[in-house]
Amino acid sequence: GENVEQHPSTLSVQEGDSAVIKCTYSDSASNYFPWYKQELGKRPQLIIDIRSNVGEKKDQRIAVTLNKTAKHFSLHITETQPEDSAVYFCAPYSGGGADGLTFGKGTHLIIQP
Amino acid sequence: NAGVTQTPKFQVLKTGQSMTLQCAQDMNHEYMSWYRQDPGMGLRLIHYSVGAGITDQGEVPNGYNVSRSTTEDFPLRLLSAAPSQTSVYFCASRRDVYGYTFGSGTRLTVV
Repeated sequence: GENVEQHPSTLSVQEGDSAVIKCTYSDSASNYFPWYKQELGKRPQLIIDIRSNVGEKKDQRIAVTLNKTAKHFSLHITETQPEDSAVYFCAPYSGGGADGLTFGKGTHLIIQP
Repeated sequence: NAGVTQTPKFQVLKTGQSMTLQCAQDMNHEYMSWYRQDPGMGLRLIHYSVGAGITDQGEVPNGYNVSRSTTEDFPLRLLSAAPSQTSVYFCASRRDVYGYTFGSGTRLTVV
């Protein structure tokens, strides 16, 4: 099955600075790469995704970059704000194995005022 | 369009009791899954379904049963509740290669 690792597990940044979270995966057949945000006590919500034929995608202050050769993709958040504080999960999709999706263990992003 | 609806939101069970967590979606999604979330463990897949009448086990299926008689509904049954099943349970649905839509979760405590 797919092995998924997220780094770091906890990330603390000053408000206004940038944050980068990296997700590495093992299945070279993976072709869909989403990021989810989960605020405290809430459900996970899809915030951005990318497909294997695209190297980068941006949506306002967030972006995802993909390196298929190295089998990793990253979430970039610029000009961080207090509402960015949450746990972020990656879940690369390979189409194989149980449900085709494997979630990373999550990264707790803390925005310091 | 309600998305994914989970009931109940909170539940307290005694050890040995059984119950069913309900999940319904109105987006005509083929894929539905149940996850449990424990502190520091991320989201772990319990059972999933790729369509009506088709279910399969995930990473942590023991103690749980599922069925998928319709596209819309995917209930999760706890057969004999144990304290180790204290957790937050999320139901989710998606279309093929797209992101999941999650329900609001059920916080279950087994005493």
